[in-house]
Amino acid sequence: EVLLLASGGGLVQPGGSLRLSCAASGFSFSNYAMNWVRQVPGKGLEWVSFISGGGGTTNYADSVKGRFTISRDNSKNTLHLQMNSLRAEDAAVYYCAKCRSGWELGYGMDVWGQGTTVTVSS
Amino acid sequence: QSALTQPPSVSGSPGQSVTISCTGTNTDVGRYNRVSWYQQPPGTAPKLMIYEVTNRPSGVPDRFSGSKSGNTASLTISGLQAEDEADYYCSSYTSSSVVFGGGTKLTVL
Repeated sequence: EVLLLASGGGLVQPGGSLRLSCAASGFSFSNYAMNWVRQVPGKGLEWVSFISGGGGTTNYADSVKGRFTISRDNSKNTLHLQMNSLRAEDAAVYYCAKCRSGWELGYGMDVWGQGTTVTVSS
Repeated sequence: QSALTQPPSVSGSPGQSVTISCTGTNTDVGRYNRVSWYQQPPGTAPKLMIYEVTNRPSGVPDRFSGSKSGNTASLTISGLQAEDEADYYCSSYTSSSVVFGGGTKLTVL
């Protein structure tokens, strides 16, 4: 069974940092690009970041560029999102999502994790 | 990276058909055939229903179909069933990023 399990969410103060992880199983992880997508409860989806299967290409939404860093460890089938300088508006449920493609963005995200909640508050 | 425009809500009776529109610009929906649709029942993660405008992943019923004309993509659900009640989101590739629509709540009457 193809599974994504996100973890690492929690409560952090404004200006703080948090590192999210997503453990993948049931598919050849290194062959597929991955994304982070977030959702404020009761609101819509917002794409956050993309990384190609080999890790050589990364993309970010303007709202997080320069503050968030996506990475992956293909030897451990794990995706990460390092979030620095967190703001109140970064509070959301963060989903990891598998791309249908190995190297390109926009061809559909066909497997989603259960989400991990990030709360930014003092 | 402006959000794509979707109607906030649509509704239909069981057995009927509904269409959800997704309007972008000539830099996203109009330029690329990389439009996807996602279904999200309350309290669950999104599920891919349509990719590359018209294609259905394995396991998605053929009652779900996608199309595009100009800057507007559409999702049509025929033979509505109670289980189709959910939020639906479109997305499009645009210049090294992805933009989502604001979401449409489908109510099955």
